[in-house]
Amino acid sequence: QVQLVQSGAEVKTPGASVKISCEASGYSFSGYDIKWVRQATGQGLEYIGWVNPPSGTTVYAQKFEGRITMTRGTSESSSSLEMSGLKAEDTAVYYCGRGPRSGWIDSWGQGTLLTVS
Amino acid sequence: DIVMTQSPDSLAVSLGERATIHCKSSQSVLSISNNRNYLAWYQQKAGQPPRLLIYWASTRQSGVPDRFSGSGSATDFTLTINSLQAEDVALYSCQQYYGTPTFGQGTRLDLK
Repeated sequence: QVQLVQSGAEVKTPGASVKISCEASGYSFSGYDIKWVRQATGQGLEYIGWVNPPSGTTVYAQKFEGRITMTRGTSESSSSLEMSGLKAEDTAVYYCGRGPRSGWIDSWGQGTLLTVS
Repeated sequence: DIVMTQSPDSLAVSLGERATIHCKSSQSVLSISNNRNYLAWYQQKAGQPPRLLIYWASTRQSGVPDRFSGSGSATDFTLTINSLQAEDVALYSCQQYYGTPTFGQGTRLDLK
């Protein structure tokens, strides 16, 4: 079955950078985009962007432009999200998910809690 | 960016009754070229990642019970849950993917 497994929780100080990984299995990795979404405690979902693994094409939400990098990871079926210049407001659970180019997310990782303090 | 606004922010419904959640987009998410509405609905239970319920505004994802249905077009959309079950208590969010994707703020559904 489709599985997306994310790296563990992170605690960072303001101004630092973080890299979160997402390992996919159970489907053809090149057939779907990897999308990233975050959710602050008690808040709604916030779209960060997506990466197309075969081409490396990325699309970022304007709010995050210049501060994030999404890449195909070091293994054949992984992707990563790197965020720099961390602020307290970046404290949230970060999710990776897969979906067609059209834009929905049909499978989700378990989430990675990032605390900036 | 396209702004998605859901209403209400929260609602409480009795078991077996119907729940209705609305989602309004700041501009149309209906594509003229393929006549599809670029709108999805998700369910998120406490402590879990979201689960896709509906895409193309009204197409139910595989495995989603048929008591969940989506409707609407252009800028106004509705998620309807018939015969509410206890396991339907969750946060429900709409998402447009016509432009750079954005989510609504979410609607919390509880039991009355």
